[in-house]
Amino acid sequence: KAGVTQTPRYLIKTRGQQVTLSCSPISGHRSVSWYQQTPGQGLQFLFEYFSETQRNKGNFPGRFSGRQFSNSRSEMNVSTLELGDSALYLCASSLWGPNQPQHFGDGTRLSIL
Amino acid sequence: SQELEQSPQSLIVQEGKNLTINCTSSKTLYGLYWYKQKYGEGLIFLMMLQKGGEEKSHEKITAKLDEKKQQSSLHITASQPSHAGIYLCGALPTGTASKLTFGTGTRLQVTL
Repeated sequence: KAGVTQTPRYLIKTRGQQVTLSCSPISGHRSVSWYQQTPGQGLQFLFEYFSETQRNKGNFPGRFSGRQFSNSRSEMNVSTLELGDSALYLCASSLWGPNQPQHFGDGTRLSIL
Repeated sequence: SQELEQSPQSLIVQEGKNLTINCTSSKTLYGLYWYKQKYGEGLIFLMMLQKGGEEKSHEKITAKLDEKKQQSSLHITASQPSHAGIYLCGALPTGTASKLTFGTGTRLQVTL
C-alpha cells in the first residue's frame, strides 16, 4: 500500500512569490491534515480537510490556504511568501480524522530567499 | 488551548542503556500518540494510547498513559543507534473535527 506522497520534496522561492504544495493521501483515506514544522515553533497545525471541506483551521494568516479534491488529494497554497515561511510542510492522512493514527508524508522543505 | 511539554528536550545515551521520555499536558488527556521523526523527514507512528493506565509495547519501546497526572511516558530498553531521532507526543483530539496538538519534541542521540 503506497504511503502519503508529497511533492515537491524541496522548493526554493523568493519573498513575495506564491507556492503550491501537493499531497496524495493513502488510498481510502479521506482526512488530510497539513502541518508546519520549524525549529523555533515546532510542529504546528495548519488545517484539516475531509470530503473536500475544511473542518478545522490553525492560527495562521489568510495567506495560507488549502483545498481537497474529490479523490482526497490535497493542495496547500501560500501567497506573498515571507522569510518566516521557510519550514518543513508535512501532510498527514487518516481514514476519518485526527482521532485516528495519522500517516505522514516526508514533507516539502520550503526555503524562502 | 492544550499544550504538551516534553522532557528532556534532548538526550544522549550510550548504546544498550535504557531511557525515558515524558510528555505532560496542560489539560486532560483523552489519549495520546507517540511518533518518531528522522531529521527532515516525516513522522512515523509508534503507538496510540486511549485509556488511563494503558500500556503498549512495540519491540523495545513501551509507552504508558497516566490520565490523572495528565502525562505519558515512553521508555526504550537497551537503546540502539536505530532509535536515534526526534520523539513527539500528540494529544488525541476529542472529536473528528478537532485538531491534533504536538509536543515540543525530544531529540535522542545514541552513541556507540
